[in-house]
Amino acid sequence: DAKTTQPNSMESNEEEPVHLPCNHSTISGTDYIHWYRQLPSQGPEYVIHGLTSNVNNRMASLAIAEDRKSSTLILHRATLRDAAVYYCILWYGGTSYGKLTFGQGTILTVHP
Amino acid sequence: GAGVSQSPSNKVTEKGKDVELRCDPISGHTALYWYRQSLGQGLEFLIYFQGNSAPDKSGLPSDRFSAERTGGSVSTLTIQRTQQEDSAVYLCASSLGLAGSTRDTQYFGPGTRLTVL
Repeated sequence: DAKTTQPNSMESNEEEPVHLPCNHSTISGTDYIHWYRQLPSQGPEYVIHGLTSNVNNRMASLAIAEDRKSSTLILHRATLRDAAVYYCILWYGGTSYGKLTFGQGTILTVHP
Repeated sequence: GAGVSQSPSNKVTEKGKDVELRCDPISGHTALYWYRQSLGQGLEFLIYFQGNSAPDKSGLPSDRFSAERTGGSVSTLTIQRTQQEDSAVYLCASSLGLAGSTRDTQYFGPGTRLTVL
């Protein structure tokens, strides 16, 4: 299984942008890059996903390197509610039957 | 609309007892997944259903664990003869499309916290 590497923790101030990196050097051509986050005492929540092109939605932006070996989740203006564990996940094209393999993720702390 | 619901939210049981955990997926979602999260650990995939069928049960930790889904809706995860190492948060998720669709999004419930004394 292709693996992802994320920093254990990051800190930000409220209303500042946050860039959460993820390395996935063994990514294959059919792997989608998914981001989920888990707020305290809650189940994980989908954030965004992409394959090759950068993606934007109401929650965040996903910047994918040209060689796809790394990606960055961008929260444009962090709020206290964004404090969570952020998981970068590779979802294998058609062979993983929906199995999301979660790593340890990045604990994001947002300071007021 | 309503999200994924799970019951009970908390369950405390004695070692050796059987427990049943319930998951109500989002209406119309065909795929359903069970994960567990031990204290301070990441999420561990257990099993998935496409409709009422579970094609691969190899993710279940032992033969004390079983799961079923009826009517393409509610699912039950049963743990027989519980052990202390079974203590964890058990999470259920559902998705609209076929399991394994790389575009599909999984919606998670709040989880059931199981404590085995």
